[in-house]
Amino acid sequence: QVQLVESGGGLVKPGGSLRLSCAASGFSFSDSYMSWIRQAPGKGLEWLSYISSLSTYTDYTDSVKGRFTISRDNAKKSLFLQMNSLRVEDTAVYYCGKVDFWSGDPPIPRYGMDAWGQGTTVIVSS
Amino acid sequence: DVVMTQSPLSLPVTLGQPASISCRSSQRLVYSDGSTYLSWFQQRPGQSPRRLIYKVSKRDSGVPDRFSGSGSGTDFTLKISRVEAEDVGVYYCMQGTHWPGTFGQGTKLEIK
Repeated sequence: QVQLVESGGGLVKPGGSLRLSCAASGFSFSDSYMSWIRQAPGKGLEWLSYISSLSTYTDYTDSVKGRFTISRDNAKKSLFLQMNSLRVEDTAVYYCGKVDFWSGDPPIPRYGMDAWGQGTTVIVSS
Repeated sequence: DVVMTQSPLSLPVTLGQPASISCRSSQRLVYSDGSTYLSWFQQRPGQSPRRLIYKVSKRDSGVPDRFSGSGSGTDFTLKISRVEAEDVGVYYCMQGTHWPGTFGQGTKLEIK
């Protein structure tokens, strides 16, 4: 079955950097779009970024654009999120998600995520 | 960004009774291909979110048929025909028509 396991979260000071990873198994990773979503403490969900199967297409929500970078290694079935210039408001649980449908020009995810990891916690605090 | 507004934010329901959650979008969610990309997610306490419904009314595999989605344009509804104890959690609508995809603020369903 589909399994997504995030890692790399932790405590970091404002202005610092962190790299999150997501190990995927149970599906054809190299054929799937992937995404990162976060949930601040006691808050709702925020879709941060997506990446196409061959890394041709990526995009970000405005709150992280220019600071976060999504990438993937299909050979290692892994998804990454490089987070720079971290702010207190980036404190959240970060989920990776598998995308099952995309369309348009450029193609973007449409149905959201059909599988989610368990999340990794990032705390940005001095 | 498209703003998704859910109501109510808190929903106490008696076991076996129906429940309904409304979701309104700030822009129409009909895409140029004629499809409407509105999904619903459930997040049980202490768990990751799980998708229940996509494309307004299509149920994901393994989702009980007591869950149904409907709506068009800017107004959408998630209905649970008979609430069970395992349905406790927070429900989110999400639009995928416009990037970035955006979620509603969530509706917390609890048992009375």
